[in-house]
Amino acid sequence: EAQVTQNPRYLITVTGKKLTVTCSQNMNHEYMSWYRQDPGLGLRQIYYSMNVEVTDKGDVPEGYKVSRKEKRNFPLILESPSPNQTSLYFCASIPRLALPDTQYFGPGTRLTVL
Amino acid sequence: AQSVTQLDSHVSVSEGTPVLLRCNYSSSYSPSLFWYVQHPNKGLQLLLKYTSAATLVKGINGFEAEFKKSETSFHLTKPSAHMSDAAEYFCVVSGRGSYIPTFGRGTSLIVHP
Repeated sequence: EAQVTQNPRYLITVTGKKLTVTCSQNMNHEYMSWYRQDPGLGLRQIYYSMNVEVTDKGDVPEGYKVSRKEKRNFPLILESPSPNQTSLYFCASIPRLALPDTQYFGPGTRLTVL
Repeated sequence: AQSVTQLDSHVSVSEGTPVLLRCNYSSSYSPSLFWYVQHPNKGLQLLLKYTSAATLVKGINGFEAEFKKSETSFHLTKPSAHMSDAAEYFCVVSGRGSYIPTFGRGTSLIVHP
């Protein structure tokens, strides 16, 4: 089944404890992206990647890192999480660089930072 | 630069009545426009998209939207609401060559029996 998967789906952690949220897609998509969703603010893009080893900042990159070593994986890294990073996170992928195109979203990761 | 405004944070309708969710946009380029739906505790799913072909776009589940360049609008409609349509709806604009789509803040559709 074609899909975008994220792990974990739920995570509660404490301030300063490094964490990684994984994202994987099995559709051979070139473009991948991370968003955070907060009430009343919609989705805001954190980072995106146009292909392997190519990443760039979105609207709200502060406090986050990403890497794209393989086409299918695009992990989101919080090296020192803070409470203001408590949010719902979505990974998405797009088939090709002929943007704009349909985004395929993962199921979301709900992160709570205490 | 681009932006999108969803004019209503909440819309409440009765089952069987029409649905109208309003979206205005601005974009420096010829925009592509999307509507996504998010059901509770789920990811986002594409409803429909406009990418410079026909201005009236039909999507899944009976939804449609009309691109009106003169009004910079892309409102989402459905003739008859179902209970299963209760969800959060997002309008998204992406300019040609843009890798950072802009999401509206969302409209929560409430459907009463």
